[in-house]
Amino acid sequence: DAGVTQSPTHLIKTRGQQVTLRCSPKSGHDTVSWYQQALGQGPQFIFQYYEEEERQRGNFPDRFSGHQFPNYSSELNVNALLLGDSALYLCASSPLDYSVGEQYFGPGTRLTVT
Amino acid sequence: SQKIEQNSEALNIQEGKTATLTCNYTNYSPAYLQWYRQDPGRGPVFLLLIRENEKEKRKERLKVTFDTTLKQSLFHITASQPADSATYLCALSNNAGNMLTFGGGTRLMVKP
Repeated sequence: DAGVTQSPTHLIKTRGQQVTLRCSPKSGHDTVSWYQQALGQGPQFIFQYYEEEERQRGNFPDRFSGHQFPNYSSELNVNALLLGDSALYLCASSPLDYSVGEQYFGPGTRLTVT
Repeated sequence: SQKIEQNSEALNIQEGKTATLTCNYTNYSPAYLQWYRQDPGRGPVFLLLIRENEKEKRKERLKVTFDTTLKQSLFHITASQPADSATYLCALSNNAGNMLTFGGGTRLMVKP
């Protein structure tokens, strides 16, 4: 049973460019959340997708957008990249069950903006 | 605003001792409190979850306490091993869904 997978592993972009990161959830999970983790800090919630809709959103600008596909996989798009967007981007999946709190994280995509 | 504090300084302990990590929060009434382990360059791995109506939870060498009056959780690793060396993250979530709010993490170093 494959866990959460993310691609690419590493990415280098230039300021002002756009980037798309991809995530496949753990088998049986229908909810995907995205987090940004700056070096030395804890992950920060970006948004969560369920049934191809954005359910919740953290305190991130509209430059950050996402999508969920019918097979539950998801994409995170970031436009007009800033140097401060350099971070580890984590995808987490879970079943939509309020009695279950834990999330399963992928290995992350390391984005460097120069 | 919501704030979750974990000791940003690394915790260094000797193998075999009990490691105790602290998570304090303010302006928050979480339904669940969770602990995750994160190794360098990897995603967090779920360890334990405790609900607001539970005082203590155990799993093998791990123990978590949750004091909603003090707004604090303690995370214990007994008989610590060098393989326990990692960063440990505290995360809170509420009943509205399972969006997690993380603390900054505490790095644990267990020396042989």
